Amino acid sequence: EDQVTQSPEALRLQEGESSSLNCSYTVSGLRGLFWYRQDPGKGPEFLFTLYSAGEEKEKERLKATLTKKESFLHITAPKPEDSATYLCAVQAEGNNDMRFGAGTRLTVKP
Amino acid sequence: NAGVMQNPRHLVRRRGQEARLRCSPMKGHSHVYWYRQLPEEGLKFMVYLQKENIIDESGMPKERFSAEFPKEGPSILRIQQVVRGDSAAYFCASSPQGYYGYTFGSGTRLTVV
Repeated sequence: EDQVTQSPEALRLQEGESSSLNCSYTVSGLRGLFWYRQDPGKGPEFLFTLYSAGEEKEKERLKATLTKKESFLHITAPKPEDSATYLCAVQAEGNNDMRFGAGTRLTVKP
Repeated sequence: NAGVMQNPRHLVRRRGQEARLRCSPMKGHSHVYWYRQLPEEGLKFMVYLQKENIIDESGMPKERFSAEFPKEGPSILRIQQVVRGDSAAYFCASSPQGYYGYTFGSGTRLTVV
């Protein structure tokens, strides 16, 4: 069965303190791995899609990388506005639904 | 482009009543997905629909829950005879044909009292 595990559950950083969020996955044939950001009381906001091992995507202070077993979301010099829950999801070949991890709740203190 | 529109944003129902949640996908998107998010838990897939067809309902509880996406109008997720355990945030997402990523709506927060 497809599984997605995110770690840590929660992460507190000082403004400017870079770190990484982990997403480990087990899927029978990866169609895509997705990162979303979710603010309290809102729907998930799309960040990145990664399709194959070795692929990297960047957007502002965020960089997502992918291996055959895990993905990392690197946050460089975070700001308080980066505080949110970051969700990882995988979509298997032949499937239309995504399986989500439980998320990492990031808090960036000024 | 207004994005994925869900209404109502908040819905309170007494145990035993029916809840109807609506979702209008983004313009040009023909695929609709419903997910449920319980407090402190991840998003759980419920059902995938295209116009007038249910493609995959493997995540939908067998009883009391139903979904439709008619030719005209929004997609509807219906929960009959709600119970306290149905209290959750329900998110709708849409995608165009052949695209693997979703755009999510802001969700409907259902509270059963």
